[in-house]
Amino acid sequence: DAKTTQPTSMDCAEGRAANLPCNHSTISGNEYVYWYRQIHSQGPQYIIHGLKNNETNEMASLIITEDRKSSTLILPHATLRDTAVYYCIGGYNNDMRFGAGTRLTVKP
Amino acid sequence: NAGVTQTPKFRILKIGQSMTLQCTQDMNHNYMYWYRQDPGMGLKLIYYSVGAGITDKGEVPNGYNVSRSTTEDFPLRLELAAPSQTSVYFCASLQGTGALGYTFGSGTRLTVV
Repeated sequence: DAKTTQPTSMDCAEGRAANLPCNHSTISGNEYVYWYRQIHSQGPQYIIHGLKNNETNEMASLIITEDRKSSTLILPHATLRDTAVYYCIGGYNNDMRFGAGTRLTVKP
Repeated sequence: NAGVTQTPKFRILKIGQSMTLQCTQDMNHNYMYWYRQDPGMGLKLIYYSVGAGITDKGEVPNGYNVSRSTTEDFPLRLELAAPSQTSVYFCASLQGTGALGYTFGSGTRLTVV
């Protein structure tokens, strides 16, 4: 698995876009970038993943740089329920290794 | 469709006791995983299985054992509980390498005193 680096914590105003960065400079050519989130003490929830192209689903958008060394998860209109720890993982989907993640706090 | 079910939700063990954490999934997923999460930390992989009859060690397997006799069930066994095993344990499953992401259970909070 690629080593990933994320900020420890971030704040975001409710209704604004939340942009969560992740560095994964050691990612190999066929390793994916995965994002999960963990709300309070629940089990983590899969959000989105990508290889080279930008991806969007009903939850979020994923922007991957052309050199694949970093990515940004975008929550377009953050709500209070998006307050959670967000994990960025570089690797294969059958071998997920979770780091400490970014604690996102959405404030009213 | 219940997804991934873990039992019990909470348990207090005394040092040296043993117990089995149960995990079952009804999605016919091939891959199953056990993670532990210590307070304020990320998840650490304990054991995983790519199918019935096949198990392998993750990052922190010491003190634990697993078995996978059926596709549905992946129990985690603690033989001699130690305070260092106080943690929240999560089970997860994945359909296959082409699938989107893991489905996690709601966790078992274990305290060893």
